[in-house]
Amino acid sequence: EAGVTQFPSHSVIEKGQTVTLRCDPISGHDNLYWYRRVMGKEIKFLLHFVKESKQDESGMPNNRFLAERTGGTYSTLKVQPAELEDSGVYFCASSQVGRVYEQYFGPGTRLTVT
Amino acid sequence: SQQGEEDPQALSIQEGENATMNCSYKTSINNLQWYRQNSGRGLVHLILIRSNEREKHSGRLRVTLDTSKKSSSLLITASRAADTASYFCATVYSGGYQKVTFGIGTKLQVIP
Repeated sequence: EAGVTQFPSHSVIEKGQTVTLRCDPISGHDNLYWYRRVMGKEIKFLLHFVKESKQDESGMPNNRFLAERTGGTYSTLKVQPAELEDSGVYFCASSQVGRVYEQYFGPGTRLTVT
Repeated sequence: SQQGEEDPQALSIQEGENATMNCSYKTSINNLQWYRQNSGRGLVHLILIRSNEREKHSGRLRVTLDTSKKSSSLLITASRAADTASYFCATVYSGGYQKVTFGIGTKLQVIP
């Protein structure tokens, strides 16, 4: 069974540019989560989808971040315009319904904003 | 807000030694998990311990949970160079909406 995949693995962009990160959850997992780890800090929750609906987006830092999950399958996280402080590793995770504590994580996308 | 806080934040040991990492949290939890992240890789789930459990083993890993002190420890015995990674504890709050909350992590270096 394929695990959670994320694309790209690494992205380097300039301040002010736009970047879109993609996450493909494990097939059949209705729950999809985005997390971010800024260098040296904790892994912070960004938001949670149940199918295509946003269950909780309390962790989204500001309106420069837009997450979508059209059709309830893969999800994208767009940062527009990117700022220096957006640099970090963005993780995606998925889980089955009712099993929030059993999340499977993807390898992460390392975003570097210069 | 609830947050897992690992201690120490960095640990360097010789191969073969044991490594102990601690985690403290602030609110009642359903369970606590430990994850590992190798450099440049994703998070790997190591072990889950439920709030009604006190100790759990998995291979060279031993996790303890003290809910009265709101703390957990992860012991890696007979460490190997391949254990070099960052280790995170994560908690699931027991009230209301369930969300996984991570700590800042402990960076473990095992010197061959």
